[in-house]
Amino acid sequence: GDSVTQMEGPVTLSEEAFLTINCTYTATGYPSLFWYVQYPGEGLQLLLKATKADDKGSNKGFEATYRKETTSFHLEKGSVQVSDSAVYFCALAGGFKTIFGAGTRLFVKA
Amino acid sequence: NAGVMQNPRHLVRRRGQEARLRCSPVKGHSHVYWYRQLPEEGLKFMVYLQKENIIDESGMPKERFSAEFPKEGPSILRIQQVVRGDSAAYFCASSRSGQGDTEAFFGQGTRLTVV
Repeated sequence: GDSVTQMEGPVTLSEEAFLTINCTYTATGYPSLFWYVQYPGEGLQLLLKATKADDKGSNKGFEATYRKETTSFHLEKGSVQVSDSAVYFCALAGGFKTIFGAGTRLFVKA
Repeated sequence: NAGVMQNPRHLVRRRGQEARLRCSPVKGHSHVYWYRQLPEEGLKFMVYLQKENIIDESGMPKERFSAEFPKEGPSILRIQQVVRGDSAAYFCASSRSGQGDTEAFFGQGTRLTVV
């Protein structure tokens, strides 16, 4: 069945460092891909999405490109801030169901 | 604009009691999804409902768990005879359509603790 694999965390970075969180997926067909963010004690919020191959989703300095050839959707940000500390979930939407990765916790130190 | 509203935010139950978790979707959304998040783990799909219908409950345990989304009122996730392993955060999401590329809006979750 469809699945999402994310790099394990936690990831600890200093402020202004470059961030990459890897995400690969397995799916039949051509799903839409998403990154969601979960701040402490909160629900998930959509961060960005891409609906077809080579699409780039971007928001708040984060971006990810839908790579069909490598079945990947890695999340990147050029300069992280302390306020980016959260858990990041990669997800794919196949049919009506959204499948989530296990999440990657990011800590950003001042 | 009210988002997805879940209540209660925190729920404590003794083993053997019943837990009822409520979810009011975004106004105009008729598709509701329930997910469970165990500590330090990702979200696991439980059930997908449209108004008055269960479309997919493949992620829901066969016993003790049930879900409904009546014509009027919120969606309810019901857990009977709770056990310690049911302790988790339960998230509800809603969307305008059931198409996979439609954004799902999440509630803040109900954190169930079974003592």
